[in-house]
Amino acid sequence: ETGVTQSPTHLIKTRGQQVTLRCSSQSGHNTVSWYQQALGQGPQFIFQYYREEENGRGNFPPRFSGLQFPNYSSELNVNALELDDSALYLCASTTTGDYNSPLHFGNGTRLTVT
Amino acid sequence: AQSVTQLDSQVPVFEEAPVELRCNYSSSVSVYLFWYVQYPNQGLQLLLKYLSGSTLVKGINGFEAEFNKSQTSFHLRKPSVHISDTAEYFCAVSHTGGFKTIFGAGTRLFVKA
Repeated sequence: ETGVTQSPTHLIKTRGQQVTLRCSSQSGHNTVSWYQQALGQGPQFIFQYYREEENGRGNFPPRFSGLQFPNYSSELNVNALELDDSALYLCASTTTGDYNSPLHFGNGTRLTVT
Repeated sequence: AQSVTQLDSQVPVFEEAPVELRCNYSSSVSVYLFWYVQYPNQGLQLLLKYLSGSTLVKGINGFEAEFNKSQTSFHLRKPSVHISDTAEYFCAVSHTGGFKTIFGAGTRLFVKA
């Protein structure tokens, strides 16, 4: 089975710009979650998508948005980038309704905002 | 609301020594508990999970954890560590009907020769 893949691996943006990060879920998984991991901290939940709709959101502003496609790949979009958005962004997939099922993570995208 | 507290930010230990990484959680409902490991420049991978049943859970790479409901703890242990165990370890919690997994701040395990 294929694992979770994310692209790009690294990205440098300027404050105020917009960025799109991409994720391909593990085969057979139709639920995807995005997490932000700041340096030295644990992952913080951004939102979750199931069947192309957002079905849960953490404490992040609306400039963080996402999409999930019919093939279960997904995107994280961040508008009006701020310096504090610099972090490792992790995508994780799992199967529907299995809230007791572990998350399968990609290796992340390292975003640096200057 | 749920929360996870990892009591040690860093744990240095010599190779072949035992180690315990501590985790406490708070929740008003029944929980599922997980430990994940993160190696440099990688995502997180599952070490072990507690869903129900036996409170002692065995995972990969010789790790085990014990669920203690009265103390709301889920400490991770390994009887003899290797250099290759050097990594960041995260305790996490989710619950029935929830849509997110909440992570602790992490414990950096540093194994010295």
